[in-house]
Amino acid sequence: EDQVTQSPEALRLQEGESSSLNCSYTVSGLRGLFWYRQDPGKGPEFLFTLYSAGEEKEKERLKATLTKKESFLHITAPKPEDSATYLCAVQAATSYDKVIFGPGTSLSVIP
Amino acid sequence: SAVISQKPSRDICQRGTSLTIQCQVDSQVTMMFWYRQQPGQSLTLIATANQGSEATYESGFVIDKFPISRPNLTFSTLTVSNMSPEDSSIYLCSVDRPGLAGGDTQYFGPGTRLTVL
Repeated sequence: EDQVTQSPEALRLQEGESSSLNCSYTVSGLRGLFWYRQDPGKGPEFLFTLYSAGEEKEKERLKATLTKKESFLHITAPKPEDSATYLCAVQAATSYDKVIFGPGTSLSVIP
Repeated sequence: SAVISQKPSRDICQRGTSLTIQCQVDSQVTMMFWYRQQPGQSLTLIATANQGSEATYESGFVIDKFPISRPNLTFSTLTVSNMSPEDSSIYLCSVDRPGLAGGDTQYFGPGTRLTVL
């Protein structure tokens, strides 16, 4: 069964304190792994798509990496405005359209 | 990316009534998706809506409870029928956009926050 888990469930950082969020997945053939940011009461905002092991993508203070079993979202020198829930999702090769979401990591960055 | 709008943005409804949520996309798309996000939870796919055919529902969701219309390539509606407090959630629509290497990325609307009393 295709599955996505994320850790930690919640993370509290001081402003400027770098860290990483983990997304572990079990899927029968990966078509794509996605990272989203979600602010309270809003829809998920697309951040990255990763397609193959070894791939990396960057955007401002965020960097996403992918291995065959997990993905990391590295946050460098975070700011309070980076506080949000970060969602990981996967699309399997056997389910063309369906995207499975992980439970998310709630990030709080304290000034 | 895609520009997706939803109406209403939020509503408070009485038990036993129904609410229809509208989703409008800025360009034509083949597939539209409806998700539910219960309080403190992640997203769960309700159904996939193709223009001109019946929606495909995920396990645990049925057409009588969540009827979907897809009258054209830029618009869809989701109705939450005979509501109970357990239906209080954020309802989100999304669309695919092609990415690299044959994959698709889903973009989401702002969501409809539903509270059932």
